[in-house]
Amino acid sequence: EDKVVQSPLSLVVHEGDTVTLNCSYEVTNFRSLLWYKQEKKAPTFLFMLTSSGIEKKSGRLSSILDKKELFSILNITATQTGDSAVYLCAVPLRAGSYQLTFGKGTKLSVIP
Amino acid sequence: EAGVTQFPSHSVIEKGQTVTLRCDPISGHDNLYWYRRVMGKEIKFLLHFVKESKQDESGMPNNRFLAERTGGTYSTLKVQPAELEDSGVYFCASSLTIQETQYFGPGTRLLVL
Repeated sequence: EDKVVQSPLSLVVHEGDTVTLNCSYEVTNFRSLLWYKQEKKAPTFLFMLTSSGIEKKSGRLSSILDKKELFSILNITATQTGDSAVYLCAVPLRAGSYQLTFGKGTKLSVIP
Repeated sequence: EAGVTQFPSHSVIEKGQTVTLRCDPISGHDNLYWYRRVMGKEIKFLLHFVKESKQDESGMPNNRFLAERTGGTYSTLKVQPAELEDSGVYFCASSLTIQETQYFGPGTRLLVL
């Protein structure tokens, strides 16, 4: 059965810390992996990863995919309170439909 | 450019009643998806429209759920009759093409009492 597993489920850090969030997957016909950030309402898109070993970067956030070991990490450096959110990892499944299969998410809390 | 919008933001109904959720995708996006997150679980796919056609409805839980997208613009998701286990957050997402990023709406929080 296709699945996406995120760890940890919850994380509390202090401002300025660096965090690494993990996402492992088991899917057939892998095409891409997506990261979203969900604060109060809509999950907002962060990254789409398709190639192994190529880091994607946006400000203090970066992500990389390892297609051999079937996982991705999301790094956040110099965390700020505004980074507090649930970070979701998702993988599209099945040919013909790009329905996303999500992990349960990692709840990150950044305290001053 | 306006994002995906959903209405209402919250709905509280009694078991056995009917509720209709609405999603307006980003203008020009042919692909529209419905997802649901029940408490403590991950977000799960419900169905996918391409324009007005149902491309994949494999995630619909049962025949109490009816989704429509007449005209290929906005979509509605009706639950009739609602049951307690239908409580959760219903998200809508849209994408320009099937391969492109899905952009999510803020969700409708449904509570069935």
